[in-house]
Amino acid sequence: GAVVSQHPSRVICKSGTSVKIECRSLDFQATTMFWYRQFPKQSLMLMATSNEGSKATYEQGVEKDKFLINHASLTLSTLTVTSAHPEDSSFYICSALARIKGGNQPQHFGDGTRLSIL
Amino acid sequence: AQSVTQPDIHITVSEGASLELRCNYSYGATPYLFWYVQSPGQGLQLLLKYFSGDTLVQGIKGFEAEFKRSQSSFNLRKPSVHWSDAAEYFCAVGGGSGNTPLVFGKGTRLSVIA
Repeated sequence: GAVVSQHPSRVICKSGTSVKIECRSLDFQATTMFWYRQFPKQSLMLMATSNEGSKATYEQGVEKDKFLINHASLTLSTLTVTSAHPEDSSFYICSALARIKGGNQPQHFGDGTRLSIL
Repeated sequence: AQSVTQPDIHITVSEGASLELRCNYSYGATPYLFWYVQSPGQGLQLLLKYFSGDTLVQGIKGFEAEFKRSQSSFNLRKPSVHWSDAAEYFCAVGGGSGNTPLVFGKGTRLSVIA
């Protein structure tokens, strides 16, 4: 089945540090990847849609300069949290859509990254 | 606007008992519906999906869900719950070509007691 690898699984760092999270589709090409954020005991909120070779589309209220997204290839999207602060602490999850002509397919999720900013 | 409502925040069932998790959606077009399960600190695993066709869909781990357009519902069921089913369950809706982000419900936490 389709596998999405997200790395790292957990990050603890000091305030002001920039953190990069990688989302890779291991056995399929993903033209579209989504980045979600999940606060404790809450649902997933879409942050941005990442399309290969183009700029990401951010949801309202999400700071583009704060959360940099790069989708440089069909198998890799990265989310960089720049100058992270404690309020950025959260669980970040990516998902990927397989590049399949026609038909419908579900999103495949990574295992998430727990980001803790001290 | 798209939305998903999971009315039950927390459900507790006995092992071996049947389970039904409720999900209602609001969507302007033909919805694509999903149920995902999340264990603590983990990502999401797809249980099942509905795109079209038979309104009763079978998923992994013995789960099934029924799409009822008239009720805008997509309830998840399992005839006999196992202790390992304890987790958070999310209903989600998407649409169009499938190339759209999902809108998630707030989740239902399932606890299983002996």
